[in-house]
Amino acid sequence: DTEVTQTPKHLVMGMTNKKSLKCEQHMGHRAMYWYKQKAKKPPELMFVYSYEKLSINESVPSRFSPECPNSSLLNLHLHALQPEDSALYLCASSQVSGYEQYFGPGTRLTVT
Amino acid sequence: SQQGEEDPQALSIQEGENATMNCSYKTSINNLQWYRQNSGRGLVHLILIRSNEREKHSGRLRVTLDTSKKSSSLLITASRAADTASYFCATDPQFYFGTGTSLTVIP
Repeated sequence: DTEVTQTPKHLVMGMTNKKSLKCEQHMGHRAMYWYKQKAKKPPELMFVYSYEKLSINESVPSRFSPECPNSSLLNLHLHALQPEDSALYLCASSQVSGYEQYFGPGTRLTVT
Repeated sequence: SQQGEEDPQALSIQEGENATMNCSYKTSINNLQWYRQNSGRGLVHLILIRSNEREKHSGRLRVTLDTSKKSSSLLITASRAADTASYFCATDPQFYFGTGTSLTVIP
């Protein structure tokens, strides 16, 4: 199984809502990543988990809260988002940090 | 805080022609990776070249790396319409993606 799955595919939420994005992989990878991508722009790194510990936090606002409950699962909890947070949120995993990354299809988030 | 710049930003070629895109980066790297992204979808890893390698091939792909110039190039030979996508370079350990090249291959 060389797949990274992300749910939901699409999410529309109001600025006062709380929602979560989920990412799962069963390749035994020990590094997992969250990226944010705006239209016609490259992905921007948000967080990196290595061996289930947060190793990189790219100065992301606290309204984004990552969680890695186990080595296969990565969540991104969302609270009090702004319209400018609307974007494609991509999850990726790699064998260990720095190796080639396998990406999920992304969650298209719209904040109204 | 982008690490890489790519050029050209957009490239349009006829099927069967070769496509070359370039990536420049700013700091020391362990490796450099190239990814492809079809419109609005996840990225697909194409090839990884380590900092001590100068050239690498994979099928129709050829990647070069010049660490003295902090630059890399991706050559796609005998392009196909299915190669139409955006192509990004990404560096390790910084995990920064380049600005990307949008490639259109005309059948």
